[in-house]
Amino acid sequence: SQQGEEDPQALSIQEGENATMNCSYKTSINNLQWYRQNSGRGLVHLILIRSNEREKHSGRLRVTLDTSKKSSSLLITASRAADTASYFCAGGAANAGGTSYGKLTFGQGTILTVHP
Amino acid sequence: SQTIHQWPATLVQPVGSPLSLECTVEGTSNPNLYWYRQAAGRGLQLLFYSVGIGQISSEVPQNLSASRPQDRQFILSSKKLLLSDSGFYLCAWSVLAMYKNIQYFGAGTRLSVL
Repeated sequence: SQQGEEDPQALSIQEGENATMNCSYKTSINNLQWYRQNSGRGLVHLILIRSNEREKHSGRLRVTLDTSKKSSSLLITASRAADTASYFCAGGAANAGGTSYGKLTFGQGTILTVHP
Repeated sequence: SQTIHQWPATLVQPVGSPLSLECTVEGTSNPNLYWYRQAAGRGLQLLFYSVGIGQISSEVPQNLSASRPQDRQFILSSKKLLLSDSGFYLCAWSVLAMYKNIQYFGAGTRLSVL
């Protein structure tokens, strides 16, 4: 079953605006990751936040994690047309080094469209 | 550096025909390997994963099978394709380190079963 559920399912903004996507998950995680997928392509890892972290930054990306609410958010600041893609959150199981074998459970994704 | 190759990029097959999709990884040893299927506009469904040669775990019952004949080779197969096997198939690899299980994906294969 899909663990992560992204919200909104689709987001349309103008270039220069900020884009915020949310993700909720159901089971215990060791880390929460965000991936990007351009249309018809494979996924690319963007950022990982561990369960003992609350916020992480990477360039124009800001990720927050609230383990009490089992939720995460991805903020893309000063968006560009090239940011147009689908964005997925993925939960890494709590025993990532053990029997989970590094499996990730992906959400359904948010389709982001940035208009120039 | 590590790279992952997945082919073919697109495939159109008739119902009842066999299938073989191949994925190879370069630049790393003993990776975990994964096959996913993605329906249009949806998330990824994990089909199979492998932690070593000949070790395959299936996540969902289906018409497909997987094999890992070499350390860095992962093959997805079917003896007889069904219409419902259509979709976008993605191969990925990861190496677990310090509880980081980042996965690296191939470019995907678009399979249309007609």
